[in-house]
Amino acid sequence: SQTIHQWPATLVQPVGSPLSLECTVEGTSNPNLYWYRQAAGRGLQLLFYSVGIGQISSEVPQNLSASRPQDRQFILSSKKLLLSDSGFYLCAWSGWEKTDTQYFGPGTRLTVL
Amino acid sequence: DQQVKQNSPSLSVQEGRISILNCDYTNSMFDYFLWYKKYPAEGPTFLISISSIKDKNEDGRFTVFLNKSAKHLSLHIVPSQPGDSAVYFCAAYSGTYKYIFGTGTRLKVLA
Repeated sequence: SQTIHQWPATLVQPVGSPLSLECTVEGTSNPNLYWYRQAAGRGLQLLFYSVGIGQISSEVPQNLSASRPQDRQFILSSKKLLLSDSGFYLCAWSGWEKTDTQYFGPGTRLTVL
Repeated sequence: DQQVKQNSPSLSVQEGRISILNCDYTNSMFDYFLWYKKYPAEGPTFLISISSIKDKNEDGRFTVFLNKSAKHLSLHIVPSQPGDSAVYFCAAYSGTYKYIFGTGTRLKVLA
């Protein structure tokens, strides 16, 4: 069966510090990978998605970036965090068929102070 | 432009009764819809989905109805249980690898 891992679970960072969140998927090959953010009281905002190694599509211009160094690894980064980057970050994966369900990781709570 | 809308931010239902969560969409090209349940500080959990070639899909206590002419789908939970209290998101597959989510409805099932 497939599993998706995210770490860390919680993170408190000062404004201007760097960020690296990691997501890995097990039990599947060539998944589509996604990063979402849920701000307080808001819905799920798609940040990035990737359909293959080294391929990244950005949905929202911001100071965040994503990378996919391996087939089942997806990393969300920032060189300098802003207060507005606080939120709940979710990684998700889906198969390559269009009718595949998207499955989510446990999330990372990021607080920028 | 909100392509998937959940107009009710919250809903309270008595235990044992039916919960009906609604979702509207604007893009007639969406052909696959999903419902997720989310507890605080956890990732969303997939509940049930429906293809646009169907108008109903049932899984235990959960049933999703799709009305393509009205561009409307709904999730019925019968009977509602206190453990069903969570935020529910509907989502539509856009056909370009992307899933478009609504803003969620917070369901509270009262014991």
